Amino acid sequence: SQTIHQWPATLVQPVGSPLSLECTVEGTSNPNLYWYRQAAGRGLQLLFYSVGIGQISSEVPQNLSASRPQDRQFILSSKKLLLSDSGFYLCAWSVRWTFGNTIYFGEGSWLTVV
Amino acid sequence: GQNIDQPTEMTATEGAIVQINCTYQTSGFNGLFWYQQHAGEAPTFLSYNVLDGLEEKGRFSSFLSRSKGYSYLLLKELQMKDSASYLCAVRGGGSQGNLIFGKGTKLSVKP
Repeated sequence: SQTIHQWPATLVQPVGSPLSLECTVEGTSNPNLYWYRQAAGRGLQLLFYSVGIGQISSEVPQNLSASRPQDRQFILSSKKLLLSDSGFYLCAWSVRWTFGNTIYFGEGSWLTVV
Repeated sequence: GQNIDQPTEMTATEGAIVQINCTYQTSGFNGLFWYQQHAGEAPTFLSYNVLDGLEEKGRFSSFLSRSKGYSYLLLKELQMKDSASYLCAVRGGGSQGNLIFGKGTKLSVKP
């Protein structure tokens, strides 16, 4: 069966510090991979998605970036965090898009920028 | 533009039935999803509708009307553990079929 893991689960970072969140998927090949953010009182916002190694699409302009160095690895980064980057970050995967395929989420990472 | 609307909060009694509505306006439509999200946790998949009508899965059912841009999630025989946020999400058009999420409905089940 397929599993998805992301880490760290919780982190508190000062403004201006770097960020790295990592996500891996097991039990599948060539997945679509996603990074979402959920801020307090707001819906899930798609940040990045990837359909293959090195292929990253950004949905919203921001100071975050994403990379996919391996087929089942997805990394979210920032060089300098802002207070507004605080939130709940979720990595997700789906099979390469077909009708009906579902997006499955990792456990999430709580980021507090202070 | 793309928009998904659902009530912010609802309250219901244990053992009762509750219906959570969702209306959407999106560029293209390739299916509607419902997710359950307990506080502090990741969303988990509940149901998927792409054709009009009702899909039943145990105590949960989901309905879709594409012509009206409308869906609802029906929860029967409510249990305390059903207290959670319920997220409506639409897969729009485009080659990647990304999901667009509503802000979620926080359901509180009271004894």
